[in-house]
Amino acid sequence: DIQLTQSPSFLSASVGDRVTITCRASQDISSYLAWYQQEPGKAPKLLIYGASTLQSGVPSRFSGSGSGTDFTLTINSLQPEDFATYSCQQLYSYPQTFGQGTKVEIK
Amino acid sequence: EVQLVQSGAEMKKPGESLKISCKGSGYSFISYWIGWVRQMPGKGLEWMGIIYPGDSDTTYSPSFQGQVTFSADKSIFTAYLKWSSLQASDTAMYYCARRYCGGGRCLNAFDIWGQGTMVTVSS
Repeated sequence: DIQLTQSPSFLSASVGDRVTITCRASQDISSYLAWYQQEPGKAPKLLIYGASTLQSGVPSRFSGSGSGTDFTLTINSLQPEDFATYSCQQLYSYPQTFGQGTKVEIK
Repeated sequence: EVQLVQSGAEMKKPGESLKISCKGSGYSFISYWIGWVRQMPGKGLEWMGIIYPGDSDTTYSPSFQGQVTFSADKSIFTAYLKWSSLQASDTAMYYCARRYCGGGRCLNAFDIWGQGTMVTVSS
């Protein structure tokens, strides 16, 4: 199985901050990576697919980059509604594993 | 509106069986695979497996192989997740989600998710 390791697991930030979350794969997954946002008590929501393509309707302050084994989700100018848990997922091979998640909390 | 609507919360006893559902609407049901994802209380997302409703082609995660069964009825746009004998450790939120694959290409993500079904197993 391909392992995805996110860092950090937890981060505290303020409104307006720029936030970067990384996702490292245990082997090359090309660009077969997605990022999701999950608010407490809600289903995950797709933010980024194909490592860097913004899903329709997602604010442009979210961006994704990377390929191979190292990927980054960046949130520019953090907004109050962005405080949530973010997870990456690889769709390169079965099982299509998720990272452990990164919780973004208000400082 | 494109959506996946899951069946309601369940409370069961260990050893009981259970089948939960995920109904698609607003899109061509057989153009998308349906994946199942477990989220145990306070934990991250776990990929359980995926089924193609068009022909019920299924792949299970090794962690869930033999523990659950996926099925689908394309005539009523519904996918199912079944347990034959529940354990307390099956207590979790279960999500279904869709992934487009067609014409030899796949969207590399689950773009629409159901609202989740909470399964509680306790004696």
